[in-house]
Amino acid sequence: QSVLTQPPSASGTPGQRVTISCSGSSSNIGGNTVNWYQQLPGTAPRLLIYSSNQRPSGVPDRFSGSKSGTSASLAISGLQSEDEADYYCAAWDDSLNGYVFGTGTTVTVL
Amino acid sequence: QVQLQQWGAGLLKPSETLSLTCAVYGGSFNNYYWSWIRQPPGKGLEWIGEINHSGSTNYNPSLKSRVIISVDTSKNQFSLNLRFVTAADTAVYYCARIKNFAIDYWGQGTLVTVSS
Repeated sequence: QSVLTQPPSASGTPGQRVTISCSGSSSNIGGNTVNWYQQLPGTAPRLLIYSSNQRPSGVPDRFSGSKSGTSASLAISGLQSEDEADYYCAAWDDSLNGYVFGTGTTVTVL
Repeated sequence: QVQLQQWGAGLLKPSETLSLTCAVYGGSFNNYYWSWIRQPPGKGLEWIGEINHSGSTNYNPSLKSRVIISVDTSKNQFSLNLRFVTAADTAVYYCARIKNFAIDYWGQGTLVTVSS
């Protein structure tokens, strides 16, 4: 079972801004950095955001991350059709001594 | 460029042992943790465990009793063994590299189906 909670779905029209939340606890998000992954259908996940708000090389600046307390957010601005995918947050959990993923959010471009 | 290439049996019977191996090409092998993650069909991601070059491991508590992750530094490979599989272990299994608690490289994934 996932210990990080995300909304199951989010949607927007092209060009809009979409935000995905990720709720955790003091043992994971509250004390560690958050990473975000994008998974296109039938493919392996791809690192989108690391250290809560950093983008790896090649990730468009339309994607941004933030963290506050025991929650984190991923924002997609200027939504594009190719952004239709599943998005997962993740963090190290000090209580479990393991890596935990969020429940996942499916983004649909209307 | 770092590449992870994985292989192993794709069809198992209940109670058998799942065995997968992941080879790492490019980059340093010794400076990272190497991990296994799985994804049941239509469901989310689940971290299985990780190992570093010296053999230090961390496992998901829910799988710890059945999992062994091992490493062969002479071949830049690491492996997953999951014992006593059931239908609930049917999933796509990914190997991956962890850098500063972020998974920055993933294998191509292997679908493992458990069925009698």
